[in-house]
Amino acid sequence: ETGVTQTPRHLVMGMTNKKSLKCEQHLGHNAMYWYKQSAKKPLELMFVYNFKEQTENNSVPSRFSPECPNSSHLFLHLHTLQPEDSALYLCASSQESGAFSYEQYFGPGTRLTVT
Amino acid sequence: ILNVEQSPQSLHVQEGDSTNFTCSFPSSNFYALHWYRWETAKSPEALFVMTLNGDEKKKGRISATLNTKEGYSYLYIKGSQPEDSATYLCASPKGKLIFGQGTELSVKP
Repeated sequence: ETGVTQTPRHLVMGMTNKKSLKCEQHLGHNAMYWYKQSAKKPLELMFVYNFKEQTENNSVPSRFSPECPNSSHLFLHLHTLQPEDSALYLCASSQESGAFSYEQYFGPGTRLTVT
Repeated sequence: ILNVEQSPQSLHVQEGDSTNFTCSFPSSNFYALHWYRWETAKSPEALFVMTLNGDEKKKGRISATLNTKEGYSYLYIKGSQPEDSATYLCASPKGKLIFGQGTELSVKP
């Protein structure tokens, strides 16, 4: 148990559906992250929030929309996804985002399948 | 080196063997080097965050060294156990944390 939870753990959605992924951290951290891992590829950063402000958008398509209402919660809203968006989506948190000397704590991930 | 690269991609060892693998990263404007362990069906877990050239960190049977001038880090596991089976990731920041593809370690009893 890392102190970072994600729901749902598995999600199957059609290309016209709208769904949301949820992440919650119980560590008192100020930075939260969304990562994507596609098969046979390295973990790829999608978004960074530091003190609830988005500080990084790694050229992610607009069909992925993040939301960070407070430092403990992070959402990823999904709409009109493509089959190639099927992947493992990981949430992480750290004390701050700018200081890379802080380790990141990861959630268990949401396995997303787009049909 | 422009990206973070890890070798080998996979490794199969017998219980009790010692093993090591490599992470190569851009040496210019170095800030930090992270190592994570990712067991199947679990969350990636931080092992070490290293910032100083020549640094050596240890956690139980696992240790890591860092050479920031030549841009590499080694992870060592002494006396591998089946529970060490996992993918080991390294990451280094270049504006954002860049992850390597990982080394998948399998330890047979």
